[in-house]
Amino acid sequence: DTAVSQTPKYLVTQMGNDKSIKCEQNLGHDTMYWYKQDSKKFLKIMFSYNNKELIINETVPNRFSPKSPDKAHLNLHINSLELGDSAVYFCASSQPGGGLNTEAFFGQGTRLTVV
Amino acid sequence: AQTVTQSQPEMSVQEAETVTLSCTYDTSESNYYLFWYKQPPSRQMILVIRQEAYKQQNATENRFSVNFQKAAKSFSLKISDSQLGDTAMYFCAFYYNTDKLIFGTGTRLQVFP
Repeated sequence: DTAVSQTPKYLVTQMGNDKSIKCEQNLGHDTMYWYKQDSKKFLKIMFSYNNKELIINETVPNRFSPKSPDKAHLNLHINSLELGDSAVYFCASSQPGGGLNTEAFFGQGTRLTVV
Repeated sequence: AQTVTQSQPEMSVQEAETVTLSCTYDTSESNYYLFWYKQPPSRQMILVIRQEAYKQQNATENRFSVNFQKAAKSFSLKISDSQLGDTAMYFCAFYYNTDKLIFGTGTRLQVFP
C-alpha cells in the first residue's frame, strides 16, 4: 500500500482554468504538507496542516486553497491557473514528536503544466 | 528563522569511490532533526538518513554516513563505495517541532562508471 498517494501524477491544463490535486495518507500522521518544486528543483513549503488545522501558509497567492476534510486528506485547489504555476507539487506527511520514526513521507508528486 | 544551505550545486564521483556532500544550517533551536533526502529521476523523495540533534553519535545507514557538527551547524553526507544508482538530487533538510521541513537547494550527484 502506498503511504502517501497523490492524484493525478500529471496534469496539463490551460491558463485560467481551475484544477485540484488530491492527497491521501494512510500512516495515521497528524501533519500534512504541500510543497512546490520549481524548475531548478528548489522545494518550497506552501502549506502545513496539523490535524485538519492550517498551521503554515507561506506567502502563497490566494488562488491556492488547501482543503483538509479529515486528517488523512489534504487537497490543493488552484484557481485561475497561470504559466508560473507550472511545477511539481508534492504532498507529504509526518508525525510530530515521532522520535526515532520522525521523517516526512512524500507522495510521488504531481507535475502540473500550464499552457 | 531556520535556513539550510547546500553550497555544492553539482558533484560527480566515480563508481566505488567516496563523495561528501555539504550542508550547513542556521537555527536558534537546540533540539531538532536533520535529514538527507534523495530524489532520483523518478522524482520520488526518499529518506537516506536521519540525525537527531541531541545525539552526538553520527548516524550511519549502510554506505551512507553523516558528519554532524552541532556547534558549527554542519551536517555533511558521506557516500562510500558509490554506485550508479546513487545518481540523484540530494537534499539536506531541517525539521523542528510540528512546523515544517525546510530544504536546502539540493546537490545534483552524478556517479560515473
